[in-house]
Amino acid sequence: DQQVKQNSPSLSVQEGRISILNCDYTNSMFDYFLWYKKYPAEGPTFLISISSIKDKNEDGRFTVFLNKSAKHLSLHIVPSQPGDSAVYFCAATYNNNDMRFGAGTRLTVKP
Amino acid sequence: KAGVTQTPRYLIKTRGQQVTLSCSPISGHRSVSWYQQTPGQGLQFLFEYFSETQRNKGNFPGRFSGRQFSNSRSEMNVSTLELGDSALYLCASSVPGTGGEKLFFGSGTQLSVL
Repeated sequence: DQQVKQNSPSLSVQEGRISILNCDYTNSMFDYFLWYKKYPAEGPTFLISISSIKDKNEDGRFTVFLNKSAKHLSLHIVPSQPGDSAVYFCAATYNNNDMRFGAGTRLTVKP
Repeated sequence: KAGVTQTPRYLIKTRGQQVTLSCSPISGHRSVSWYQQTPGQGLQFLFEYFSETQRNKGNFPGRFSGRQFSNSRSEMNVSTLELGDSALYLCASSVPGTGGEKLFFGSGTQLSVL
C-alpha cells in the first residue's frame, strides 16, 4: 500500500526559478514529514522536515508546506541551483513506526 | 563520526542463490532499518531492528530476513534469489525517540540477480 505518493516522476526548472515538489499521503496518523535528497551512487540525505502541528518550515532556500486537511505537502526550492539536481523523496512517519517513502521526483535544474 | 557503512557495494548473484548484506550504523545509533529501492517504486521498507529485536516489518516475503547484533551492526539475508530482487538495498540508522527522528543512510548495496 502506497501511503505516501509523489505523482510527478520528474521536474525540470531553469536555474534561479522556483522548484515545487509535491507529495500526498493517505494515512492521517502520520505526524512527521521529511524530505530526503538522493544523488546517484549515494544514499538519501535528510533535507528538511515538518511536524504535523506546523504548516510551514523554512531552512535557507528550502521551505516545506503542510496542508493536513488535504493530506498534502510540498517542498519549495528558491532559487533553484544546478547542484539541486537530484531525486527528492518525501517520507512520513508516526510514533515508532517505520518511515514510509514516496517513489521520488527527479529534479533537473538547467543552467 | 563515521557514517553508515554498507558492504559489499556491489553484488552479482544468480537465481536461486542466497545473499547476505551487512550494515554498520553510526556509533551510538541503536536502530537500523533496511529499504529496497527500485526504479519507479521508491524506497520500500523491509524491516527495522532495535536492540537486536525486529520492531517493524514491511510487506516482503519470508525470503527476506535480517538480524541485529549486540553492537548494533545488522545483516539482511535474501534466500532463493529471484530476478525481481535486483535492486539497491539501503540501510539506515537512527537514534529512536518518540518519532520523527532522521534516518541516516548508507550508500547502499547494488544487487544484480542474473
